[in-house]
Amino acid sequence: DAMVIQNPRYQVTQFGKPVTLSCSQTLNHNVMYWYQQKSSQAPKLLFHYYDKDFNNEADTPDNFQSRRPNTSFCFLDIRSPGLGDAAMYLCATSRDRTSLEAFFGQGTRLTVV
Amino acid sequence: SQQGEEDPQALSIQEGENATMNCSYKTSINNLQWYRQNSGRGLVHLILIRSNEREKHSGRLRVTLDTSKKSSSLLITASRAADTASYFCATDARGGSARQLTFGSGTQLTVLP
Repeated sequence: DAMVIQNPRYQVTQFGKPVTLSCSQTLNHNVMYWYQQKSSQAPKLLFHYYDKDFNNEADTPDNFQSRRPNTSFCFLDIRSPGLGDAAMYLCATSRDRTSLEAFFGQGTRLTVV
Repeated sequence: SQQGEEDPQALSIQEGENATMNCSYKTSINNLQWYRQNSGRGLVHLILIRSNEREKHSGRLRVTLDTSKKSSSLLITASRAADTASYFCATDARGGSARQLTFGSGTQLTVLP
């Protein structure tokens, strides 16, 4: 029944070693989002795709990139993870550009050692 | 900067009591949503209230919106231990290609059995 699936649930990476987090959805939604959530903080939007149209938030570091090869999948690439990038990364979808409700995956907890 | 600020940051109550959480925001909104997040999990949409609505109910949830004060409250009646979670308000803005949610800082609710 899972609709937005994130893999893996937990990821440990070394300082400076590139890492990729993945998200897939069975909802056929046009919009996919990536949020970063640090401990006891609000989720913070990194970027989103409307279909293949990529939208980067102004304050998202260049270290973070994203790919959306098709409707179902979206990837978050962290090119050179630093200790400050340790966080929960949340993927979300919404049906289309006017939709209000977001559907979230369970998140990937990233640890940088 | 965060659109929403919530208070209290943490709330601890006994099972059966009511829990009230408040959210304040800074700019005009079209609607306001409340989400719930269990520890280490993704967010789940609870309820949406539009800017022309003052109150909305869904099961044990009651949401109010005061646009003149730029504030909203979420009331959970007859709380249960399973209601223990973080609760976030979120406002949306049209940015880039699609709507984007900006989350408040959240209230950590603990319901004691």
